Amino acid sequence: GQNIDQPTEMTATEGAIVQINCTYQTSGFNGLFWYQQHAGEAPTFLSYNVLDGLEEKGRFSSFLSRSKGYSYLLLKELQMKDSASYLCAVMDSNYQLIWGAGTKLIIKP
Amino acid sequence: SQTIHQWPATLVQPVGSPLSLECTVEGTSNPNLYWYRQAAGRGLQLLFYSVGIGQISSEVPQNLSASRPQDRQFILSSKKLLLSDSGFYLCAWSPSGRETGELFFGEGSRLTVL
Repeated sequence: GQNIDQPTEMTATEGAIVQINCTYQTSGFNGLFWYQQHAGEAPTFLSYNVLDGLEEKGRFSSFLSRSKGYSYLLLKELQMKDSASYLCAVMDSNYQLIWGAGTKLIIKP
Repeated sequence: SQTIHQWPATLVQPVGSPLSLECTVEGTSNPNLYWYRQAAGRGLQLLFYSVGIGQISSEVPQNLSASRPQDRQFILSSKKLLLSDSGFYLCAWSPSGRETGELFFGEGSRLTVL
């Protein structure tokens, strides 16, 4: 079967750095995506990785290792507004998105 | 610019009643359209997707149905709701002609079945 694993919840301090991990087992691979979802709202796209390595976009970076079936989302200089759930999703060989359950990130002052 | 809207935002329905959620997209033509359900502590579950008018693919057997009467309109329906239909329903679109995981979501509809 296809599976996406990420921690259920993480806590970090304002101004610090946090890394949210995602491991996956899917039928084929056509890219990995990270979405941010604030409570009660719709997800919004954050990043896309299809090749190994690090993609940086402002305070957010996303890393991929296809051989390990592993990705992480790195958030720097955390702000209170970063409190949200972070969803990892993988596009399989049929170009269907397989979604993780999400990691709820709690930022404390 | 492209926008997507879905409604209603919240609704409380009794078991056995019908359901209709509507989603419209503006500013693009022939989008791919999706209906997802999100249950607490679980990943997004794809319910239906459509690549064109009248073309609906169902991902899981269920008590729900979808229709696409117009290019940019996508409707989720049920004739008789079950308790298990409660959840957060999300409509989304992506550009046609290329496979992309970048989805643009509507505001979401929270359904509570009592």
